[in-house]
Order: sequence, then C-alpha cells, then structure tokens
Amino acid sequence: DTAVSQTPKYLVTQMGNDKSIKCEQNLGHDTMYWYKQDSKKFLKIMFSYNNKELIINETVPNRFSPKSPDKAHLNLHINSLELGDSAVYFCASSSTGARPQHFGDGTRLSIL
Amino acid sequence: GENVEQHPSTLSVQEGDSAVIKCTYSDSASNYFPWYKQELGKRPQLIIDIRSNVGEKKDQRIAVTLNKTAKHFSLHITETQPEDSAVYFCAATQSGGSYIPTFGRGTSLIVHP
Repeated sequence: DTAVSQTPKYLVTQMGNDKSIKCEQNLGHDTMYWYKQDSKKFLKIMFSYNNKELIINETVPNRFSPKSPDKAHLNLHINSLELGDSAVYFCASSSTGARPQHFGDGTRLSIL
Repeated sequence: GENVEQHPSTLSVQEGDSAVIKCTYSDSASNYFPWYKQELGKRPQLIIDIRSNVGEKKDQRIAVTLNKTAKHFSLHITETQPEDSAVYFCAATQSGGSYIPTFGRGTSLIVHP
C-alpha cells in the first residue's frame, strides 16, 4: 500500500498552461508539504499545511497555490507555467512536530 | 531562520571503504536531525535520525553523531556497497514553531565496485 501517492507521475505541457498535481496520504498524518527539486537536486520547501495553518515559502511565486480538501489531500495548482517550473515536485507528510517526512514518488514536470 | 550546510557535495569511495558526510546548522533551537537517502529517480527515504538528547545512534552499517555545542552532525557509513550509491540529505528541525525541516544541499555518494 502506497503511503503517499502523487498523480500524475509525469506531466509534459506547454508554457502558459495551468496544471494540477494531486497528493494523497493514508498515514493519518496531519501535516503535508510540497517540495521542488531542481536539476541540482536541491530540495526546496514550497508549502507546509496542516488543518490549522498554511505556511508559504515567500520565494514561491503566487502562480503556485496549494489546495487541501481534507487532511489526507494536498493538491498543487500551477497557473501560467514557465520554463523555469520544470522540475520534480515531491509531496510529503508527517505527524505534527519534529518528525520524519514520508515522501511521494514525485511528479516530473517538463515545460515545452 | 535555520541554515544547514552539507559537505562534501560529491564523495567517491571504493567498495568496502567508509564514507562520512558532515552537516552544520545555525539555530541552537533545532533538536531533530534526520538523514534521507535518494536513489536515482526515486523518492527521498529516511535512513536514520537523531534527537538532541542523544550523541550517537547506530543502525547496522550506518551511524549518526551529533555535537550540539559545535552545531554539527555527521553520517557514517561503514563497509560501503555499490547499492549505497545515492544522494544523501541531512536536515535540521526546530523544536517549536512550524517544525518545517531545513535541508542540506545533498551529497552524491558514489561507491565503486
């Protein structure tokens, strides 16, 4: 059973389009995250969200927006895609507090 | 905010040798230090972690040491094997606030057979 699942696994689209990536976790965690991993492998936190608080990395463009219908899901919506958005996006979840993160398998986004 | 430095960025060893990856952090409020392994094309996975009330932790061939005074922690892998080849990330998490971890930039470990 996959603990943190993301869809789609691959996403190829054109500049200017709007796209969404879905994430679901079945671990009962109450905090979820989105990370961007570029070609240099750096894991950059984009958002952290639990049922109380959304924390946004201030360097993330407002074209990116997280949407959480419930505590088991945190989707990522991206407007007006740009070439620089090409990367692997990882969803993760953890229990509240200083706890290990469980990552999804990633979504490889390629912008043409 | 927290700042985590990780060295080296690349580490190449022969099979059977030991490998050491070092991280330093800036915020003395950090008290949880996980290490993640990311194989090529895969997701990061936790391999070992340590909390600030412990100086060392071992799990078979891997160990982590923590020096709170100097604000640094290290990952030690003994008897390396080709399947240890991966990118390793350290992270530091504060004891309060948002609990968002700060990651190091990663170390690419290559184990030559």
